[in-house]
Amino acid sequence: DAGITQSPRHKVTETGTPVTLRCHQTENHRYMYWYRQDPGHGLRLIHYSYGVKDTDKGEVSDGYSVSRSKTEDFLLTLESATSSQTSVYFCAISESQGRGGQPQHFGDGTRLSIL
Amino acid sequence: KNQVEQSPQSLIILEGKNCTLQCNYTVSPFSNLRWYKQDTGRGPVSLTIMTFSENTKSNGRYTATLDADTKQSSLHITASQLSDSASYICVVSAIYTGNQFYFGTGTSLTVIP
Repeated sequence: DAGITQSPRHKVTETGTPVTLRCHQTENHRYMYWYRQDPGHGLRLIHYSYGVKDTDKGEVSDGYSVSRSKTEDFLLTLESATSSQTSVYFCAISESQGRGGQPQHFGDGTRLSIL
Repeated sequence: KNQVEQSPQSLIILEGKNCTLQCNYTVSPFSNLRWYKQDTGRGPVSLTIMTFSENTKSNGRYTATLDADTKQSSLHITASQLSDSASYICVVSAIYTGNQFYFGTGTSLTVIP
C-alpha cells in the first residue's frame, strides 16, 4: 500500500469550532488532494496542492483552507465547522499530471461529524 | 457539461458469476479514464487506467473496455468473489483541465454466497 496516513480517522465536534485534518505521505509525490465524499455526490475536490506552498481551489472550496509547508504534509482546515461539512474526507496523492492525472493513491479517509 | 454517469447504481450477484458495470461520459476533450475499487471504510484503489488509444485493459479478473467513439466504458468482473463486494468508481480526465477530474457516483456491488 502507498504510504498515505490521514489523521484523525474519526472526529466528532460541534458547530463553530475549528477543525484541522492532516494528510501525511511517504511517497514524495508532488500532487496532493483533499476530497469529500457524500452519498449521491461521489468524490468532490476541495483543494489541491502542486508543490510546497502551492495550492489551488477545487469545486467545493468554500469554508475550507489548506496549507502545505512540507512535501509530505497537507493540512485541511475548517475555520468554523458547519453541519453541512459533515462528511468523509479523503486525501490523495499523484506523482505527476502526465499519463493518468487522476490521483494514484488515496488515504483511508477521515469521518467527520459536526453536531 | 462534463459528466460521468455509472450504472447500475447497485448490483447483487451470486459468488462465481460474472458481471459488467457501465460508465458513460460526456467529458471532452477526453484524456483518460480510470476505474477504482472502494471497499467499505477504505479509500479508492486504482484498478485500471485507459487512454484514448486503448480498447481493453485487464487486471486479474477485472477487464475494462473503452469505446471512445460512443464515450462508454465498462468494467467486467469474472468469476466474482465475496471480496469483490465494494463500490466501483469511474473517473474521467479531460485534456488541458489540470486537476479537474470528473467522478462518477459509483456502482455498489454485493457478492453473496
